[in-house]
Amino acid sequence: SQTIHQWPATLVQPVGSPLSLECTVEGTSNPNLYWYRQAAGRGLQLLFYSVGIGQISSEVPQNLSASRPQDRQFILSSKKLLLSDSGFYLCALDRGETDTQYFGPGTRLTVL
Amino acid sequence: TQLLEQSPQFLSIQEGENLTVYCNSSSVFSSLQWYRQEPGEGPVLLVTVVTGGEVKKLKRLTFQFGDARKDSSLHITAAQPGDTGLYLCAGANGGTYKYIFGTGTRLKVLA
Repeated sequence: SQTIHQWPATLVQPVGSPLSLECTVEGTSNPNLYWYRQAAGRGLQLLFYSVGIGQISSEVPQNLSASRPQDRQFILSSKKLLLSDSGFYLCALDRGETDTQYFGPGTRLTVL
Repeated sequence: TQLLEQSPQFLSIQEGENLTVYCNSSSVFSSLQWYRQEPGEGPVLLVTVVTGGEVKKLKRLTFQFGDARKDSSLHITAAQPGDTGLYLCAGANGGTYKYIFGTGTRLKVLA
């Protein structure tokens, strides 16, 4: 079965600083990959998804960008963080043949 | 815009009680998933339902997909403190890569 790793687990950053969150996948190949943001105790907002290397689709125009340099690596970035970027960031995958997503452990980002 | 509304938003019950969480939409989905999430962790998949009218059981949890594939319910029998968490439903439309998540139901089971 697949495993999703996210790094770091927690992060505190000042406003205006850059951001790089990493998601890596084991145990499967050619997955569809997703970045979500979750407000405290609420549902998930889809930020980006990727169906292959170098292919990124953005769902919400904002201060963030995503890249997929390798099949099993998905990166979320920002050049200058805003206070509103604080939240719980989740990486997820699906294998395309089923409509079921599996989630990583998440990264808690606090922008001060 | 597709929306999934969950009810109730919050639920606090005593151990041993039964409860039902609802997930409703005006849109049709090809499948629907239920997840449970602990604080500070990612959601964990409980079940996927794909056929209208389908019922799936997972120990004390019973999941049902509506006949029209627009709604779903989660019933927990004899709730235990270990059932505490945030329950999320998510609807999928095959091939669109877009999962619509419900707003969540926060369940607290008191010992």
